[in-house]
Amino acid sequence: DTAVSQTPKYLVTQMGNDKSIKCEQNLGHDTMYWYKQDSKKFLKIMFSYNNKELIINETVPNRFSPKSPDKAHLNLHINSLELGDSAVYFCASSQMPGAETQYFGPGTRLLVL
Amino acid sequence: DAKTTQPPSMDCAEGRAANLPCNHSTISGNEYVYWYRQIHSQGPQYIIHGLKNNETNEMASLIITEDRKSSTLILPHATLRDTAVYYCIVRVEAAGNKLTFGGGTRVLVKP
Repeated sequence: DTAVSQTPKYLVTQMGNDKSIKCEQNLGHDTMYWYKQDSKKFLKIMFSYNNKELIINETVPNRFSPKSPDKAHLNLHINSLELGDSAVYFCASSQMPGAETQYFGPGTRLLVL
Repeated sequence: DAKTTQPPSMDCAEGRAANLPCNHSTISGNEYVYWYRQIHSQGPQYIIHGLKNNETNEMASLIITEDRKSSTLILPHATLRDTAVYYCIVRVEAAGNKLTFGGGTRVLVKP
């Protein structure tokens, strides 16, 4: 059973399109995260939700909008995709905010053409 | 969160111990040392963490110096599957605090 799952695994799209990435965790955790790993392999946090409420919002363009319908799901919607949005996006979860261990999903590889 | 410094890469022989250093000279008293690793094309994986005492689990051992300004992650018997990028991170365990990943050490385990 996959603890943190993401769909799709790969996403190729044109500039200007709107796309969504979905994340689900079956660990019963309260906190979920979105990270972006760029071509230089640096991994940076974008957002964090605790029990459906936003608790971390890094300096991310407002074209990126996370949505948490329930505490097991955290989706990422991206409007007007740009070339620079090409990256690997990782979802993660933890038992609570600031918990010692975060569990990461397998990543979604987004390529914007 | 304190900054960490790690060597960009290192090689290790299969079956031998791999010792991965990390400097965190500006660490605060309430900051923990965490280690994660990222195997190629996968999400990061938690390995171990500690505050000031040495820690050991089924994956690795963490040795933290008495002044807490540096630490070493030890993989006791490296296997080819341990080839990955290893990240040393320091942070306070508190709500709203994030994991800040640096460049890490790219470890290549060779047969």
